[in-house]
Amino acid sequence: NAGVMQNPRHLVRRRGQEARLRCSPMKGHSHVYWYRQLPEEGLKFMVYLQKENIIDESGMPKERFSAEFPKEGPSILRIQQVVRGDSAAYFCASSPRTGENYGYTFGSGTRLTVV
Amino acid sequence: QKEVEQNSGPLSVPEGAIASLNCTYSDRGSQSFFWYRQYSGKSPELIMFIYSNGDKEDGRFTAQLNKASQYVSLLIRDSQPSDSATYLCAALNQAGTALIFGKGTTLSVSS
Repeated sequence: NAGVMQNPRHLVRRRGQEARLRCSPMKGHSHVYWYRQLPEEGLKFMVYLQKENIIDESGMPKERFSAEFPKEGPSILRIQQVVRGDSAAYFCASSPRTGENYGYTFGSGTRLTVV
Repeated sequence: QKEVEQNSGPLSVPEGAIASLNCTYSDRGSQSFFWYRQYSGKSPELIMFIYSNGDKEDGRFTAQLNKASQYVSLLIRDSQPSDSATYLCAALNQAGTALIFGKGTTLSVSS
């Protein structure tokens, strides 16, 4: 019973390159959430997706960031033209449904370093 | 901006003592609250959730919720060195679309 799978675990990109972070939710989970965690900061909500739909993207930066959760395959968080300030841990989480009784299960995260 | 506030700590307690972690939230529309534990360099793990006023117990952990005061707490009884971690409080936003996290409280349990 695999948990939330994220890859890669570590990603190094030069400024101006693109970063693609992948997340496969737990089996039976159809709701995916992306969070960013900066050093000494809390988890910041970025986006909530269901299959083929973005439900809440209120935490996404307006430029360079996008997310998708296609009908087939993992959810992707894409960061274009990365800058040093994008260096952070990016966590994906999933839940079987939304509601007050359902916490999120987190993946191991992708540590992005921009050099 | 809806927020969840926690004292960053560190909170230091001796082994066997009760650790008390506190959290306040600003969104009166939040109905459910979650406690996560995060070890350094690892991902957050769910400890427990609470949505009714009062206490909820699960093993050595007790969550307490007071919606009138917008206050949530987590008590850890018989603290162990393995409990040393950062504890994150989270509130489900009113729309039910996102958990909003505090910055976390670092707990250190000394043997």
